[in-house]
Amino acid sequence: EVQLVESGGGLVQPGGSLRLSCAASGFTFSSYWMHWVRQAPGKGLVWVSRIKSDGSNTNYADSVKGRFTISRDNAKNTLYLQMNSLRAEDTAVYYCTRDQGATFGYWGQGTLVTVSS
Amino acid sequence: DIVMTQSPDSLAVSLGERATINCKSSQSVLYSSNNENYLAWYQQKPGQPPKLLIYWASSRESGVPDRFSGSGSATDFTLTISSLQAEDVAVYYCQQYYSTPYTFGQGTKLEIK
Repeated sequence: EVQLVESGGGLVQPGGSLRLSCAASGFTFSSYWMHWVRQAPGKGLVWVSRIKSDGSNTNYADSVKGRFTISRDNAKNTLYLQMNSLRAEDTAVYYCTRDQGATFGYWGQGTLVTVSS
Repeated sequence: DIVMTQSPDSLAVSLGERATINCKSSQSVLYSSNNENYLAWYQQKPGQPPKLLIYWASSRESGVPDRFSGSGSATDFTLTISSLQAEDVAVYYCQQYYSTPYTFGQGTKLEIK
């Protein structure tokens, strides 16, 4: 059974940093592109970033480019999102998702990031 | 960026009746080399992550009831629930995966009338 479990969310001050993790199991992690998608409270879904199966290619939404870094450790079956220079508008539930032909076939339960002073 | 616009924003339908949600993209998501529409539909129930329902505009994900169907091509798409059940109350999103940044519609909230 595919499982994606996010962690690392919490309350952080504007300008601060946070690293999210996503532990994957139930599939061959190293064979799949992975994505982060976020959802602000009461709002819609926004794609944030993706990373190729071997980590050699990454893409970002303009709103996070230069501040967020996606990475992965295939030996540990773990996806990461390093978030720097956080802003109030980054407040959201962050979902880890497994690529399925560029759709999002599997989702974690999400981890809440709150940026507030 | 490709902008996805759904209509309506909310919809109330009686149990057993048909529900129709529309999605329009600001540019075509039909890839000419394989004649596939890079369009997916998701269902999100309160407090849960989204669930993939439809991909390639009309292919149903495994385990999704056949009352859910997708149609359309290029820039205009439709998600249809043929006979609404109580468990279908949710927010529905379309998403294009033709090009990054992948983008979603704003969502359509479906309720029981």
